[in-house]
Amino acid sequence: AQSVTQLDSQVPVFEEAPVELRCNYSSSVSVYLFWYVQYPNQGLQLLLKYLSGSTLVKGINGFEAEFNKSQTSFHLRKPSVHISDTAEYFCAVRGYGGATNKLIFGTGTLLAVQP
Amino acid sequence: KAGVTQTPRYLIKTRGQQVTLSCSPISGHRSVSWYQQTPGQGLQFLFEYFSETQRNKGNFPGRFSGRQFSNSRSEMNVSTLELGDSALYLCASSAWGTPNTGELFFGEGSRLTVL
Repeated sequence: AQSVTQLDSQVPVFEEAPVELRCNYSSSVSVYLFWYVQYPNQGLQLLLKYLSGSTLVKGINGFEAEFNKSQTSFHLRKPSVHISDTAEYFCAVRGYGGATNKLIFGTGTLLAVQP
Repeated sequence: KAGVTQTPRYLIKTRGQQVTLSCSPISGHRSVSWYQQTPGQGLQFLFEYFSETQRNKGNFPGRFSGRQFSNSRSEMNVSTLELGDSALYLCASSAWGTPNTGELFFGEGSRLTVL
């Protein structure tokens, strides 16, 4: 079984500042990792995913994340945020194999960008 | 390519009633999953279907049921509604088979309010 921990429920940041949203996971098997973003009154949109290979993954809207197997982390970063990045961000994990596409989600981090 | 379509987007019901939500997946996707999103519990997995068969089920009471049709469209039903069933119900579709990364594509959700 897998689990995901997003330690920060809310991250306030000023516009054009860098940001890091933290995600740690637990799994007894190798995993796929995902970051999704949810804007108000909308569904979830995939930002980026780690499947294998390079541990630094680049996604949409200037976001990137780094997979760290030893620390079981998959933190999301952006060097300079915009007001439009204000949204809730969810980290998710899925174990290799198994006849299921079920994702385990973290509790989410609300990124609040202030002018 | 059209995305995942969920209907209705908003609905209000009273306790004891039942509700049916519909989801049309992305063309070619044969797997459909349902998630319940609430402020208190976050994103909780309900069920997953592939080729009209339920492949996985979350920890919800029997009042929650679903099905998938031969055209991959899916419905979920909640009977004897309770106040705690108020939530955003998200449908997600995904491809199935090799390589299967489990990436989910979400609809905008059906927001259910139970009075």
